[in-house]
Amino acid sequence: DADVTQTPRNRITKTGKRIMLECSQTKGHDRMYWYRQDPGLGLRLIYYSFDVKDINKGEISDGYSVSRQAQAKFSLSLESAIPNQTALYFCATSDSSSAGLAKNIQYFGAGTRLSVL
Amino acid sequence: GEDVEQSLFLSVREGDSSVINCTYTDSSSTYLYWYKQEPGAGLQLLTYIFSNMDMKQDQRLTVLLNKKDKHLSLRIADTQTGDSAIYFCAERGNAGNMLTFGGGTRLMVKP
Repeated sequence: DADVTQTPRNRITKTGKRIMLECSQTKGHDRMYWYRQDPGLGLRLIYYSFDVKDINKGEISDGYSVSRQAQAKFSLSLESAIPNQTALYFCATSDSSSAGLAKNIQYFGAGTRLSVL
Repeated sequence: GEDVEQSLFLSVREGDSSVINCTYTDSSSTYLYWYKQEPGAGLQLLTYIFSNMDMKQDQRLTVLLNKKDKHLSLRIADTQTGDSAIYFCAERGNAGNMLTFGGGTRLMVKP
């Protein structure tokens, strides 16, 4: 979804480096999410934020941190990258003001492929 | 936590029907979704079903829900090569706004 933009699209880094993945959205949604995708494991939730002052841990938050700089921006940081953090990372948004089904639809960015050597 | 399971891989011939299956454990699921992921892209919502329905049809797509067995399926009629992608089943429980995703089923369509 072009309204959810992730940068960079690809990144190679070394073990121990700090790295930040950025996500911005023009959908005006209040809720934002970071997921990690590994083959056969589907998407696992790392962190989520329901508004600018709200940050919540997901299923696999260890080794990650996030910052919600504005309603439209949600960044994910790896303070000291390790090889098992090699994965495809997705940002998603949703709109809590929508009713019923629409409230639960999440819109995804194109992903960031991260390799930690 | 809640769990959503899918088979990893499905191969069909162009023009045949494809059936992708999903099972889930959360008995309080309210909405169930199918997302499609094409190569190099994020996930896009394909279709959905509310938990009080047992079937939904949308052009070539048919979603069947067996709530008693906690089984969801997606049938694609007249499968085309453009349908080749990874399909994710996801469910939303009764509390919160969080989705639980299955591992994804890679559909390969042979000409």
